[in-house]
Amino acid sequence: KAGVTQTPRYLIKTRGQQVTLSCSPISGHRSVSWYQQTPGQGLQFLFEYFSETQRNKGNFPGRFSGRQFSNSRSEMNVSTLELGDSALYLCASSLEQGQDTQYFGPGTRLTVL
Amino acid sequence: KNEVEQSPQNLTAQEGEFITINCSYSVGISALHWLQQHPGGGIVSLFMLSSGKKKHGRLIATINIQEKHSSLHITASHPRDSAVYICAVRWVGSARQLTFGSGTQLTVLP
Repeated sequence: KAGVTQTPRYLIKTRGQQVTLSCSPISGHRSVSWYQQTPGQGLQFLFEYFSETQRNKGNFPGRFSGRQFSNSRSEMNVSTLELGDSALYLCASSLEQGQDTQYFGPGTRLTVL
Repeated sequence: KNEVEQSPQNLTAQEGEFITINCSYSVGISALHWLQQHPGGGIVSLFMLSSGKKKHGRLIATINIQEKHSSLHITASHPRDSAVYICAVRWVGSARQLTFGSGTQLTVLP
């Protein structure tokens, strides 16, 4: 089975722009979670989607949003980018919402100039 | 504030040494995870614990719920074990989100 894939792997944007990141979960997995990793704050939970619905959201401003499609693929969007949004964005999938074992993708490294 | 603390932050060992990484948390949890992150960013889930002890190859994870403490042990360490090890917890009543420790950078020298 193919693992979790994320596209693009690297991205450079400027302040004020918006960005969309994509995550394809492992086939058959229905839950997708997103995380942000920075040197200063470490790993932080962004949100979780299951059956096309956001089930849980971390403590991030409304500029961070996401969605999930009927095939379980997920996208996250960051609008009005700030320098502090530079980070590694990771998504992870699991079979069901209640399952704890998550499989992580390789991440998208976003640099905001 | 609910917190997760890991120690040490950095650890250098010689190949073959027994390694212990510690994780402490502030309040009750429903699950604790140990993750491994290699350079480049990819994260692998090593263990999920809610009680007791789990073993996989040279890796052993233990948790003491009363003391709010978990340890990850690596026996007969090898340079390929060099990575960042991250502890993450799910607080009781917090639905699905994980709170992460700051990680332990492990370097195993040949």
